[in-house]
Amino acid sequence: NAGVTQTPKFQVLKTGQSMTLQCAQDMNHNSMYWYRQDPGMGLRLIYYSASEGTTDKGEVPNGYNVSRLNKREFSLRLESAAPSQTSVYFCASSEVLQGAFLWNTIYFGEGSWLTVV
Amino acid sequence: RKEVEQDPGPFNVPEGATVAFNCTYSNSASQSFFWYRQDCRKEPKLLMSVYSSGNEDGRFTAQLNRASQYISLLIRDSKLSDSATYLCVVAQVGGNTPLVFGKGTRLSVIA
Repeated sequence: NAGVTQTPKFQVLKTGQSMTLQCAQDMNHNSMYWYRQDPGMGLRLIYYSASEGTTDKGEVPNGYNVSRLNKREFSLRLESAAPSQTSVYFCASSEVLQGAFLWNTIYFGEGSWLTVV
Repeated sequence: RKEVEQDPGPFNVPEGATVAFNCTYSNSASQSFFWYRQDCRKEPKLLMSVYSSGNEDGRFTAQLNRASQYISLLIRDSKLSDSATYLCVVAQVGGNTPLVFGKGTRLSVIA
């Protein structure tokens, strides 16, 4: 039972390089998310996809792009990496019960440690 | 006022102690509430949902106070394995609005 799988787990980039973080979930969830976590800042939402075919900006979208490839997969791309993007990135997914005003559990991947030098 | 606020701690308590954390939220339309646990260098994991009537799971008790807009987490008989960061999470009505995470409260249980 894999849950949410993200790759790579560790990556070192040079300033200006590009890369894509991959994420896949096997729980048939509609909603997927990308967060970054920095010391003292907590989890901050970068982008999310409420359902297949839609994406929306979160709190800190600048410098990132996303693609909801299908229901299972949601990728995060850094077009031109900057040292300020050094962080731990978490992909997550959840099912939302519309109309019941109740969120189900949000499940996280194990994280991707990214360093930009 | 930030959307979700928590005391960052750290709370250093001896084994067997009872410890309580509070979390305040600013949006009165918030409908769903959760406590997550995050171990060092690991992903956050659901500890428990918080229901209006309050709920208990073993040594853990969660309470919701809508009037004062806060939720609480009580841990009884603390174990060394309870050492972690506890994240308060709040969701708003509508479902498509992303969850809002607090920055977490760090707990260290000492032998």
